Amino acid sequence: LAKTTQPISMDSYEGQEVNITCSHNNIATNDYITWYQQFPSQGPRFIIQGYKTKVTNEVASLFIPADRKSSTLSLPRVSLSDTAVYYCLVGDVRLYNFNKFYFGSGTKLNVKP
Amino acid sequence: GAVVSQHPSRVICKSGTSVKIECRSLDFQATTMFWYRQFPKQSLMLMATSNEGSKATYEQGVEKDKFLINHASLTLSTLTVTSAHPEDSSFYICSARSRGSNEQYFGPGTRLTVT
Repeated sequence: LAKTTQPISMDSYEGQEVNITCSHNNIATNDYITWYQQFPSQGPRFIIQGYKTKVTNEVASLFIPADRKSSTLSLPRVSLSDTAVYYCLVGDVRLYNFNKFYFGSGTKLNVKP
Repeated sequence: GAVVSQHPSRVICKSGTSVKIECRSLDFQATTMFWYRQFPKQSLMLMATSNEGSKATYEQGVEKDKFLINHASLTLSTLTVTSAHPEDSSFYICSARSRGSNEQYFGPGTRLTVT
């Protein structure tokens, strides 16, 4: 039931910018795009959420093209501690909706020294 | 930010017994809570959605009589794995959504091992 497709894994080096792209061809009008980070044996941690164009916070940027059929999570200057699995989810986050999230396979980011 | 706790963090039980996992929203009222299961090296699988004061809605393929969910208050939901078997061994994660928020907050997870 997952509505997203991501690369299974990516490698990077410390200090580099990492861009993880997610495809969501069937995104609905009311769906938002949310990214989570998960470390082993921990619950997912919210990174960023957006609907269109660009969103930036203190840890990441999210780029969403006009057709919203994909999105790109950008992590500036990654460190070893950014090694984790990153999940892209789409869902209706309106206040009175159940906001169910179906997780896809996620992207395992491996940051090397 | 909003905090969701789970108890216990890990539990070992014998096959055939039941085990209860608690999920609490510590500083907000959770109108909706979700339960996920995650097997090693796999993604999270949504098991059920629970709304305060009403019956939980289970995803297809999840046995409601085996995984009992109770959302008795706006800060507490419990998942009881009944007659546990080794194949129920997994990482169980809850999440909660507060009234007036479009963000879902995840708990730290509970590692269940059935021997």
